[in-house]
Amino acid sequence: DIQMTQSPSSLSASVGDRVTITCRASQSIGTYLNWYQQKPGKAPKLLIYAASSLQSGVPSRFSGSGSGTDFTLTISSLQPEDFAAYYCQQSYSTLWTFGQGTQVQIK
Amino acid sequence: EVQLVESGGGLVQPGGSLRLSCAASGFTFSSYWMSWVRQAPGKGLEWVANIKQDGSEKYYVDSVKGRFTISRDNAKNSLYLQMNSLGAEDTAVYYCARVVVVIAPYYHYYYMDVWGKGTTVTVSS
Repeated sequence: DIQMTQSPSSLSASVGDRVTITCRASQSIGTYLNWYQQKPGKAPKLLIYAASSLQSGVPSRFSGSGSGTDFTLTISSLQPEDFAAYYCQQSYSTLWTFGQGTQVQIK
Repeated sequence: EVQLVESGGGLVQPGGSLRLSCAASGFTFSSYWMSWVRQAPGKGLEWVANIKQDGSEKYYVDSVKGRFTISRDNAKNSLYLQMNSLGAEDTAVYYCARVVVVIAPYYHYYYMDVWGKGTTVTVSS
């Protein structure tokens, strides 16, 4: 199975900060990488698919990059509504896997 | 409005069975792959299973193979997850999700774009 490792597991940031979350795959997955946001008690929400394509309706402050084994999710200017957990997920293999998540907290 | 609504969760004893349902509306259900994803209390997301539009392909995470069965009824716009031999490790919120597939000559991207609110399964004596 393909293992997905996110870093950091949690971070504290202030409104307006630039935030970067990293996701590393245990083998090359091309650009078959998606990012989701989840707020407490809510279902996940798709942010980015195919490593860098912004889902319709998602603010442009979110961006994704990377290919192969290393990927990043960047929030260019953190907003109050962005404090949440973020997960990467690979769809390269028929058996999908998520990263363990990154909790973005208020500093 | 595109919507997915899960049901069927509850409290079940270890070794027991439960069948989850997911009712889809607002889109052509038979045109989409569908997924189940779960989240144990205080933990991250875990993909559980996928099913192709016509049910001809099904994939499962190793931890549920042989115990869980994903199925669908396109006439009823419904997705199911039959869960047998349940253990404490299966305690989680279970989400159903719609899968978008983008196919081109050199790639085939899959991603989950619509999610239900989830149904809670608790395995305990």
